[in-house]
Amino acid sequence: ETGVTQSPTHLIKTRGQQVTLRCSSQSGHNTVSWYQQALGQGPQFIFQYYREEENGRGNFPPRFSGLQFPNYSSELNVNALELDDSALYLCASSLTLTQVGTEAFFGQGTRLTVV
Amino acid sequence: SQQGEEDPQALSIQEGENATMNCSYKTSINNLQWYRQNSGRGLVHLILIRSNEREKHSGRLRVTLDTSKKSSSLLITASRAADTASYFCATGRAAGNKLTFGGGTRVLVKP
Repeated sequence: ETGVTQSPTHLIKTRGQQVTLRCSSQSGHNTVSWYQQALGQGPQFIFQYYREEENGRGNFPPRFSGLQFPNYSSELNVNALELDDSALYLCASSLTLTQVGTEAFFGQGTRLTVV
Repeated sequence: SQQGEEDPQALSIQEGENATMNCSYKTSINNLQWYRQNSGRGLVHLILIRSNEREKHSGRLRVTLDTSKKSSSLLITASRAADTASYFCATGRAAGNKLTFGGGTRVLVKP
């Protein structure tokens, strides 16, 4: 167990709807990153939050947005859902240290299906 | 787009054999990490190797890194059926862990 929890585990939404996914980071970690993993592919970086501020974004449209709270938990929001948004959404918790890369610990993911 | 490319895409071996998979990447990195994923669920961190390191061991795992060739390898020795999973390499370009993943190697260990 990594100590990173995501909710819900599964979700079915209709095209055009909005969805919010949640992530609780591991104790002591200050950074949360979100990834989208389509079936049969590697995860793709969506964005990262560090101390409640967005700290980098991948190639995803603005309808993907997020928040990080003072306790370092995080939300991923997706508006105007499209069929291609169907994927496993993974949250990763890590400790950002100056100049040093550290391990990222992943939650079990939220399986989103858009119909 | 994905920076890393794993090779092979799939690997089938007998229990007790060694499994080797390779990862190539395109840009300079701060670190490279290997992860395991079972049945499309969460990723389990296996090992992190920094750009100034060449080899690292953890139990039955051995990772090498060649920054001149922009490549890494993961060796699993004496494989077990429980090692059946998809393995991903991920590169980090800075301290903040914005990871770029490859497409993964699917490993099947037959009992």
